[in-house]
Amino acid sequence: SQELEQSPQSLIVQEGKNLTINCTSSKTLYGLYWYKQKYGEGLIFLMMLQKGGEEKSHEKITAKLDEKKQQSSLHITASQPSHAGIYLCGAAEDSNYQLIWGAGTKLIIKP
Amino acid sequence: KAGVTQTPRYLIKTRGQQVTLSCSPISGHRSVSWYQQTPGQGLQFLFEYFSETQRNKGNFPGRFSGRQFSNSRSEMNVSTLELGDSALYLCASSLYNTREVRTEAFFGQGTRLTVV
Repeated sequence: SQELEQSPQSLIVQEGKNLTINCTSSKTLYGLYWYKQKYGEGLIFLMMLQKGGEEKSHEKITAKLDEKKQQSSLHITASQPSHAGIYLCGAAEDSNYQLIWGAGTKLIIKP
Repeated sequence: KAGVTQTPRYLIKTRGQQVTLSCSPISGHRSVSWYQQTPGQGLQFLFEYFSETQRNKGNFPGRFSGRQFSNSRSEMNVSTLELGDSALYLCASSLYNTREVRTEAFFGQGTRLTVV
């Protein structure tokens, strides 16, 4: 069962538009990971956030972790077809090493 | 540096058989975690090995087992396969800092297991 709430479940966006995906927990998180997955393949690491208020960017993708470390957002600017895929957030709720996962957000980019 | 390598990429097995999957982590990573991914259940944690010791386990039956070798390579074994074991099995290679905080986690391409 999924313990991280990820929204939306799916998203269809016109190429060139911006979009945001959210990942929420009721508990404080010890490290928040964002990954992208193409169908049937492994997860590609995007970013990891650890500190409250932290923000990281890579190319046109920006991820933020809120001050309470309970919510993260992934923002894509000027979306491209290469951004299509499933975005997953993963996090450790405590120091027992196990990562929990969101259900994923399926992103489709319309040309 | 080389990424996480999982072998084989695809497997077809018959109910009742057993299967062994392999994962070679990134050099220097001592942690290997295994996950089962299915369309209905998403990513489900199986277990984590660190320095040859299993230190965390998910809610899977005892048919699912694993081990880690001194070179950090890990194997996962599933015995008495059931149709419901058909899934993508992913392993993740992780690095921890001196404060036992996971600082990075990279996944392999996965092994697609089909049980018929």
